[in-house]
Amino acid sequence: DVKVTQSSRYLVKRTGEKVFLECVQDMDHENMFWYRQDPGLGLRLIYFSYDVKMKEKGDIPEGYSVSREKKERFSLILESASTNQTSMYLCASSSARGEGGNTIYFGEGSWLTVV
Amino acid sequence: GEDVEQSLFLSVREGDSSVINCTYTDSSSTYLYWYKQEPGAGLQLLTYIFSNMDMKQDQRLTVLLNKKDKHLSLRIADTQTGDSAIYFCAEEYNNDMRFGAGTRLTVKP
Repeated sequence: DVKVTQSSRYLVKRTGEKVFLECVQDMDHENMFWYRQDPGLGLRLIYFSYDVKMKEKGDIPEGYSVSREKKERFSLILESASTNQTSMYLCASSSARGEGGNTIYFGEGSWLTVV
Repeated sequence: GEDVEQSLFLSVREGDSSVINCTYTDSSSTYLYWYKQEPGAGLQLLTYIFSNMDMKQDQRLTVLLNKKDKHLSLRIADTQTGDSAIYFCAEEYNNDMRFGAGTRLTVKP
Protein backbone atom coordinates (compact mmCIF):
# COMPACT_ATOMS: atom_id res chain seq x y z
CA ASP A 1 0.00 0.00 0.00
CA VAL A 2 1.08 3.55 -0.70
CA LYS A 3 1.94 5.44 2.42
CA VAL A 4 2.14 9.21 2.63
CA THR A 5 3.17 10.36 6.07
CA GLN A 6 2.82 13.87 7.38
CA SER A 7 5.01 14.48 10.40
CA SER A 8 2.63 16.65 12.41
CA ARG A 9 -1.10 16.10 12.77
CA TYR A 10 -1.82 19.18 14.88
CA LEU A 11 0.21 22.35 15.26
CA VAL A 12 -0.43 25.67 16.93
CA LYS A 13 1.90 28.49 15.90
CA ARG A 14 2.11 32.20 16.58
CA THR A 15 1.72 34.90 13.92
CA GLY A 16 5.08 35.61 12.32
CA GLU A 17 6.63 32.24 13.17
CA LYS A 18 8.32 30.13 10.51
CA VAL A 19 6.50 26.84 10.06
CA PHE A 20 7.71 23.63 8.44
CA LEU A 21 5.31 20.89 7.40
CA GLU A 22 7.07 17.69 6.43
CA CYS A 23 5.83 14.92 4.20
CA VAL A 24 7.37 11.59 3.22
CA GLN A 25 6.13 8.98 0.75
CA ASP A 26 7.43 5.44 0.47
CA MET A 27 6.41 4.45 -3.07
CA ASP A 28 9.12 6.13 -5.15
CA HIS A 29 6.54 8.49 -6.67
CA GLU A 30 7.83 11.24 -8.92
CA ASN A 31 5.06 13.70 -8.16
CA MET A 32 4.33 15.29 -4.82
CA PHE A 33 1.76 17.94 -3.88
CA TRP A 34 0.69 20.25 -1.11
CA TYR A 35 -2.97 21.25 -0.83
CA ARG A 36 -4.89 23.20 1.71
CA GLN A 37 -8.48 22.39 2.53
CA ASP A 38 -10.95 24.93 3.88
CA PRO A 39 -14.68 24.54 4.50
CA GLY A 40 -16.70 25.33 1.38
CA LEU A 41 -13.57 25.81 -0.75
CA GLY A 42 -12.58 22.19 -1.29
CA LEU A 43 -8.95 21.43 -2.01
CA ARG A 44 -6.68 24.10 -3.38
CA LEU A 45 -3.25 23.29 -4.76
CA ILE A 46 -0.40 25.30 -3.22
CA TYR A 47 2.70 23.81 -4.86
CA PHE A 48 3.68 20.64 -6.59
CA SER A 49 6.89 18.95 -7.65
CA TYR A 50 7.64 16.57 -10.51
CA ASP A 51 11.16 15.74 -9.51
CA VAL A 52 13.86 16.38 -6.96
CA LYS A 53 14.75 20.08 -6.62
CA MET A 54 11.92 20.96 -8.96
CA LYS A 55 8.79 22.90 -7.95
CA GLU A 56 5.84 24.50 -9.64
CA LYS A 57 3.33 26.97 -8.26
CA GLY A 58 -0.21 25.79 -7.86
CA ASP A 59 -3.32 27.91 -7.51
CA ILE A 60 -2.48 29.65 -4.22
CA PRO A 61 1.32 29.80 -3.71
CA GLU A 62 1.43 33.21 -2.01
CA GLY A 63 2.85 33.05 1.49
CA TYR A 64 4.30 29.57 0.99
CA SER A 65 7.45 27.96 -0.31
CA VAL A 66 8.48 24.33 -0.74
CA SER A 67 11.58 22.20 -0.72
CA ARG A 68 12.26 18.86 -2.36
CA GLU A 69 15.84 17.82 -1.68
CA LYS A 70 15.08 14.09 -1.83
CA LYS A 71 12.58 12.23 -3.96
CA GLU A 72 10.63 10.87 -1.01
CA ARG A 73 10.36 14.12 0.95
CA PHE A 74 8.43 17.31 0.19
CA SER A 75 8.33 20.13 2.70
CA LEU A 76 5.94 23.06 2.89
CA ILE A 77 7.29 26.23 4.49
CA LEU A 78 5.37 29.19 5.82
CA GLU A 79 8.03 31.88 6.12
CA SER A 80 5.93 34.08 8.39
CA ALA A 81 2.69 32.45 9.47
CA SER A 82 -0.48 34.52 9.42
CA THR A 83 -3.92 33.81 10.86
CA ASN A 84 -5.41 33.36 7.37
CA GLN A 85 -3.13 30.35 6.95
CA THR A 86 -5.03 28.47 9.64
CA SER A 87 -6.20 25.44 7.71
CA MET A 88 -5.83 21.74 7.10
CA TYR A 89 -2.84 20.94 4.91
CA LEU A 90 -2.76 17.79 2.85
CA CYS A 91 0.32 16.28 1.28
CA ALA A 92 -0.06 13.84 -1.62
CA SER A 93 1.97 11.90 -4.14
CA SER A 94 1.38 10.19 -7.46
CA SER A 95 3.09 8.35 -10.25
CA ALA A 96 2.13 8.09 -13.90
CA ARG A 97 3.55 4.56 -13.79
CA GLY A 98 0.81 3.34 -11.48
CA GLU A 99 -2.58 1.82 -12.08
CA GLY A 100 -5.38 4.31 -12.62
CA GLY A 101 -3.35 6.99 -14.36
CA ASN A 102 -1.98 9.69 -12.10
CA THR A 103 -3.91 8.49 -9.07
CA ILE A 104 -3.09 10.77 -6.17
CA TYR A 105 -2.57 9.33 -2.68
CA PHE A 106 -3.01 11.55 0.34
CA GLY A 107 -1.53 11.78 3.78
CA GLU A 108 -3.70 12.11 6.89
CA GLY A 109 -3.46 15.88 6.96
CA SER A 110 -1.89 18.47 9.24
CA TRP A 111 -4.18 20.82 11.12
CA LEU A 112 -2.42 24.16 11.53
CA THR A 113 -3.79 26.89 13.77
CA VAL A 114 -2.07 30.27 13.71
CA VAL A 115 -2.86 32.48 16.68
CA GLY B 1 -17.21 26.08 -16.75
CA GLU B 2 -13.76 25.54 -15.25
CA ASP B 3 -14.86 23.85 -12.03
CA VAL B 4 -15.68 20.29 -11.13
CA GLU B 5 -19.11 20.64 -9.59
CA GLN B 6 -20.87 18.64 -6.92
CA SER B 7 -23.75 19.39 -4.62
CA LEU B 8 -22.49 20.10 -1.12
CA PHE B 9 -24.85 18.00 0.98
CA LEU B 10 -26.78 14.73 0.80
CA SER B 11 -28.77 13.09 3.56
CA VAL B 12 -30.13 9.53 3.41
CA ARG B 13 -31.55 6.94 5.78
CA GLU B 14 -29.56 3.88 6.72
CA GLY B 15 -30.25 1.06 4.26
CA ASP B 16 -31.24 3.37 1.41
CA SER B 17 -29.12 3.97 -1.67
CA SER B 18 -27.08 7.16 -1.97
CA VAL B 19 -26.32 8.79 -5.29
CA ILE B 20 -23.67 11.48 -5.43
CA ASN B 21 -23.43 13.39 -8.68
CA CYS B 22 -20.58 15.28 -10.28
CA THR B 23 -20.05 17.31 -13.43
CA TYR B 24 -16.49 17.51 -14.65
CA THR B 25 -14.87 19.84 -17.14
CA ASP B 26 -12.38 18.12 -19.41
CA SER B 27 -13.75 15.65 -21.92
CA SER B 28 -10.21 14.42 -22.59
CA SER B 29 -9.64 13.26 -18.99
CA THR B 30 -8.52 9.65 -19.16
CA TYR B 31 -9.47 8.76 -15.60
CA LEU B 32 -12.08 10.01 -13.18
CA TYR B 33 -11.95 9.36 -9.47
CA TRP B 34 -13.97 9.24 -6.28
CA TYR B 35 -12.31 9.90 -2.94
CA LYS B 36 -13.75 9.59 0.57
CA GLN B 37 -12.74 11.76 3.51
CA GLU B 38 -13.73 10.78 7.01
CA PRO B 39 -13.70 13.42 9.78
CA GLY B 40 -10.21 14.63 10.63
CA ALA B 41 -8.52 12.41 8.06
CA GLY B 42 -6.98 12.72 4.63
CA LEU B 43 -8.64 11.68 1.38
CA GLN B 44 -8.82 7.99 0.65
CA LEU B 45 -9.15 6.75 -2.92
CA LEU B 46 -12.44 4.86 -3.24
CA THR B 47 -12.49 3.99 -6.89
CA TYR B 48 -11.66 5.27 -10.35
CA ILE B 49 -13.06 4.70 -13.81
CA PHE B 50 -11.32 4.72 -17.15
CA SER B 51 -12.95 7.08 -19.60
CA ASN B 52 -13.80 4.41 -22.16
CA MET B 53 -16.05 2.67 -19.61
CA ASP B 54 -19.56 3.75 -18.75
CA MET B 55 -19.94 1.74 -15.57
CA LYS B 56 -17.79 0.18 -12.90
CA GLN B 57 -19.06 -1.85 -9.96
CA ASP B 58 -17.15 -2.70 -6.81
CA GLN B 59 -19.21 -4.34 -4.06
CA ARG B 60 -21.66 -1.70 -2.82
CA LEU B 61 -20.22 1.01 -5.07
CA THR B 62 -21.35 1.69 -8.63
CA VAL B 63 -19.77 4.41 -10.74
CA LEU B 64 -21.62 5.64 -13.81
CA LEU B 65 -19.96 7.78 -16.45
CA ASN B 66 -21.74 9.77 -19.13
CA LYS B 67 -18.97 11.20 -21.29
CA LYS B 68 -21.31 13.10 -23.56
CA ASP B 69 -22.68 15.12 -20.65
CA LYS B 70 -19.41 14.99 -18.63
CA HIS B 71 -21.38 13.55 -15.75
CA LEU B 72 -20.07 11.13 -13.16
CA SER B 73 -22.04 9.55 -10.35
CA LEU B 74 -21.31 7.35 -7.37
CA ARG B 75 -24.03 5.09 -6.06
CA ILE B 76 -23.66 3.48 -2.64
CA ALA B 77 -26.08 0.62 -2.09
CA ASP B 78 -27.41 -0.20 1.40
CA THR B 79 -25.84 2.94 2.88
CA GLN B 80 -24.48 2.50 6.41
CA THR B 81 -23.69 5.03 9.12
CA GLY B 82 -20.00 4.31 8.47
CA ASP B 83 -20.45 5.76 4.99
CA SER B 84 -21.00 9.22 6.49
CA ALA B 85 -18.13 11.28 5.08
CA ILE B 86 -17.27 13.84 2.45
CA TYR B 87 -17.01 12.43 -1.07
CA PHE B 88 -14.85 14.15 -3.66
CA CYS B 89 -15.09 13.74 -7.39
CA ALA B 90 -11.87 14.41 -9.34
CA GLU B 91 -10.69 14.45 -12.92
CA GLU B 92 -7.20 14.00 -14.28
CA TYR B 93 -5.68 17.35 -15.23
CA ASN B 94 -2.14 17.37 -16.66
CA ASN B 95 -0.09 15.63 -13.95
CA ASP B 96 -2.47 16.78 -11.27
CA MET B 97 -6.19 16.50 -10.58
CA ARG B 98 -9.10 18.89 -10.41
CA PHE B 99 -11.29 18.23 -7.39
CA GLY B 100 -14.86 19.11 -6.70
CA ALA B 101 -15.68 20.86 -3.44
CA GLY B 102 -16.94 17.61 -1.94
CA THR B 103 -20.40 16.27 -1.04
CA ARG B 104 -21.03 15.73 2.65
CA LEU B 105 -23.07 12.54 3.03
CA THR B 106 -25.02 12.19 6.25
CA VAL B 107 -26.57 8.81 7.01
CA LYS B 108 -29.43 8.86 9.51
CA PRO B 109 -30.24 5.74 11.51
